[in-house]
Amino acid sequence: DQQVKQNSPSLSVQEGRISILNCDYTNSMFDYFLWYKKYPAEGPTFLISISSIKDKNEDGRFTVFLNKSAKHLSLHIVPSQPGDSAVYFCAARGWGKLIFGQGTELSVKP
Amino acid sequence: EAGVTQFPSHSVIEKGQTVTLRCDPISGHDNLYWYRRVMGKEIKFLLHFVKESKQDESGMPNNRFLAERTGGTYSTLKVQPAELEDSGVYFCASSQGARGYEQYFGPGTRLTVT
Repeated sequence: DQQVKQNSPSLSVQEGRISILNCDYTNSMFDYFLWYKKYPAEGPTFLISISSIKDKNEDGRFTVFLNKSAKHLSLHIVPSQPGDSAVYFCAARGWGKLIFGQGTELSVKP
Repeated sequence: EAGVTQFPSHSVIEKGQTVTLRCDPISGHDNLYWYRRVMGKEIKFLLHFVKESKQDESGMPNNRFLAERTGGTYSTLKVQPAELEDSGVYFCASSQGARGYEQYFGPGTRLTVT
């Protein structure tokens, strides 16, 4: 049973525009949500996190929004840059461990 | 500050053989985690150490997998005997303190069992 889902396997965006990556979860007991970025042959790199008691967290070009009633979070990247092209994983922390979504491959075209 | 390191980066073994993966966490990090990604699917939790103690090993697939963290520093994950379905990328992560929910990952070990 998939507790964290990223329903879009891929997303293509023009450079300078906004990228919006989405994630849904099922368990209301998760206390933190995180986004990781992964390049091929590398490990996931931590990007940004949000506590379950918050609804927004911003760090530079990256903003994460949490909608607890909908059990939905999203990552906004503004403006998108070609170097942002990678696989993005959403993760939820429950009982100390991270539960990951399947990932969304973002392609930012010049 | 050095990040999480893993060795080897890639291992190819035959079914039935033994392989040992090593992880060195970020210095001072008490929490150490092992995860696995199989066939490009989602990254799945295997187990969690706090210092040298196993806090949670609920994700370990079966008793062919043995993880240790003697002295609370580096950790090893041994697969014995390896099966074809064990192929994948094994990631190690570490975290510490008040922001312990932020786990920092190593580059992974790609294991291929033939």
